[in-house]
Amino acid sequence: LAKTTQPISMDSYEGQEVNITCSHNNIATNDYITWYQQFPSQGPRFIIQGYKTKVTNEVASLFIPADRKSSTLSLPRVSLSDTAVYYCLVGGLNTGGFKTIFGAGTRLFVKA
Amino acid sequence: DTGVSQNPRHKITKRGQNVTFRCDPISEHNRLYWYRQTLGQGPEFLTYFQNEAQLEKSRLLSDRFSAERPKGSFSTLEIQRTEQGDSAMYLCASSLGTGDGNQPQHFGDGTRLSIL
Repeated sequence: LAKTTQPISMDSYEGQEVNITCSHNNIATNDYITWYQQFPSQGPRFIIQGYKTKVTNEVASLFIPADRKSSTLSLPRVSLSDTAVYYCLVGGLNTGGFKTIFGAGTRLFVKA
Repeated sequence: DTGVSQNPRHKITKRGQNVTFRCDPISEHNRLYWYRQTLGQGPEFLTYFQNEAQLEKSRLLSDRFSAERPKGSFSTLEIQRTEQGDSAMYLCASSLGTGDGNQPQHFGDGTRLSIL
């Protein structure tokens, strides 16, 4: 199973760009990379998903190098409300069955 | 609200009692997942349904745990003879099943179980 490694915590200030990198050296060919955001006492919220290269949506960008052994979630111009835990997931449902593992996540603190 | 709904939001019970949680997924989603999350940790996968069929179970799902999705819509998770270690947030998620199986999961806000 692909295991992910993320920084335990990060600090930032309002208006800055935040980049959170996730390592997943054992990613399988069929695995996708998905990022979720979670606030206290709430379920995780989907942010972005990608397979390779770059994906961008209205809230974030996801950069995936050619070897796919890592990925970087980029949050442009963060605000206080972006303080949350961010999880990087690798896996999904493929021929081997359902294999998705959440790590401990990265706690992002955005300061005024 | 058309998101994933979980009930109850909180459950407090004495050790040894049985508890049951309910999850109502997004209506057009045919896949449903259960996770458990303890404080400071990421969610841990418990089990997964496609329609009414339970296709995958984690080894975390001991024989005291049972999950059902009788008509392929809502699901229930039952824990029998609860133990202190069962105290956690139980999360349900659903997704739309497609050929590649990698549609994002949409989570409910969970049921927090506290065992006295």
